[in-house]
Amino acid sequence: AQSVTQLGSHVSVSEGALVLLRCNYSSSVPPYLFWYVQYPNQGLQLLLKYTSAATLVKGINGFEAEFKKSETSFHLTKPSAHMSDAAEYFCAVSDSGGTSYGKLTFGQGTILTVHP
Amino acid sequence: EAGVAQSPRYKIIEKRQSVAFWCNPISGHATLYWYQQILGQGPKLLIQFQNNGVVDDSQLPKDRFSAERLKGVDSTLKIQPAKLEDSAVYLCASSFRKQETQYFGPGTRLLVL
Repeated sequence: AQSVTQLGSHVSVSEGALVLLRCNYSSSVPPYLFWYVQYPNQGLQLLLKYTSAATLVKGINGFEAEFKKSETSFHLTKPSAHMSDAAEYFCAVSDSGGTSYGKLTFGQGTILTVHP
Repeated sequence: EAGVAQSPRYKIIEKRQSVAFWCNPISGHATLYWYQQILGQGPKLLIQFQNNGVVDDSQLPKDRFSAERLKGVDSTLKIQPAKLEDSAVYLCASSFRKQETQYFGPGTRLLVL
């Protein structure tokens, strides 16, 4: 069975500071990994995804994430936070095959606050 | 390209009443998903359709929840009767194929009193 753990339900950073949102996963088969962002009263928007190509994945809005198999992690980073980055971020895992192919399992989310 | 459309955006009902949500996926997307997002939690898949057939409904509370996807396009999700614990945001998503990127609608926020 798949699972995702996001460490820290709330993260607060200053504008211009490094953003680091942590995600660890558990999967019995090689995973596909995703980060989604959710702004208030909106649906989820894909930031980036890992599908077994390059381990460092670049996404939209300056975000990137690195797949580390040995640590079962897929942490999301951005070098310099902007006020517009304030939102809730979700890490998700999907099987790359088998009966659960295409099914997303989400973490509980991390709310990012950016203060001036 | 139009995104995933959902209606209504908000709904308030009394417990034991029934409610229905509607979703129109992105044109040409064969796979459609319904998720339940309870406050403070990540979305949880309720049901997945491939065209008009059900692929996965293992987490759908079938005693009260039902869903259909007519002609492989629009979909409706129904709750009857509603319970207090059904208060959540119901998200619809679609993808071109099963493992392609899922695109989410804005969601329907349900409050059961």
